[in-house]
Amino acid sequence: KAGVTQTPRYLIKTRGQQVTLSCSPISGHRSVSWYQQTPGQGLQFLFEYFSETQRNKGNFPGRFSGRQFSNSRSEMNVSTLELGDSALYLCASSPGTADGYTFGSGTRLTVV
Amino acid sequence: AQTVTQSQPEMSVQEAETVTLSCTYDTSESDYYLFWYKQPPSRQMILVIRQEAYKQQNATENRFSVNFQKAAKSFSLKISDSQLGDAAMYFCAYRRTGNQFYFGTGTSLTVIP
Repeated sequence: KAGVTQTPRYLIKTRGQQVTLSCSPISGHRSVSWYQQTPGQGLQFLFEYFSETQRNKGNFPGRFSGRQFSNSRSEMNVSTLELGDSALYLCASSPGTADGYTFGSGTRLTVV
Repeated sequence: AQTVTQSQPEMSVQEAETVTLSCTYDTSESDYYLFWYKQPPSRQMILVIRQEAYKQQNATENRFSVNFQKAAKSFSLKISDSQLGDAAMYFCAYRRTGNQFYFGTGTSLTVIP
């Protein structure tokens, strides 16, 4: 059974640019969540999608957005990148709303 | 908002020994779930163990077990017969049904050969 797949693994962008990260959940998982992980802030929740609807949203500026497609694949977009957006972005999927997450390997974003 | 506290930023254990990682959480809810995740240097977060709050019995998974004290809001992880492959960052997490996960700041575990 394939795991959660995140692409790309590494990304280098320039300040002011925008970026799109992709996440393919485990087949059958309808819930997809995104987290930002940094050494200083730990794991911070970005948002959760369930059956194409955003169900929960963390405390991030509007530059961070996401969506989920009918096949449960999800994308996360960050516009007008700032240096502070450099982080590991983790995607996680789960079958339902009370289950544990299965995480992807993350996308390491570096903003220069 | 719920908070999860891991008061031990770093821990070390001799190979084959037992180590306990601490976690406390704050909630006013009675129905929730608790988790321990492991993040090795490969950076992929791996689910170690899961506990339902309504179950009094402590969860176990092979060498991993928890001590769940609901009244004290404590959820510690015990690793028995530690192995070199157990070296990783360990995160405690809390979740209510339909809500996001709340993670602690992590405990870095070193296993000494």
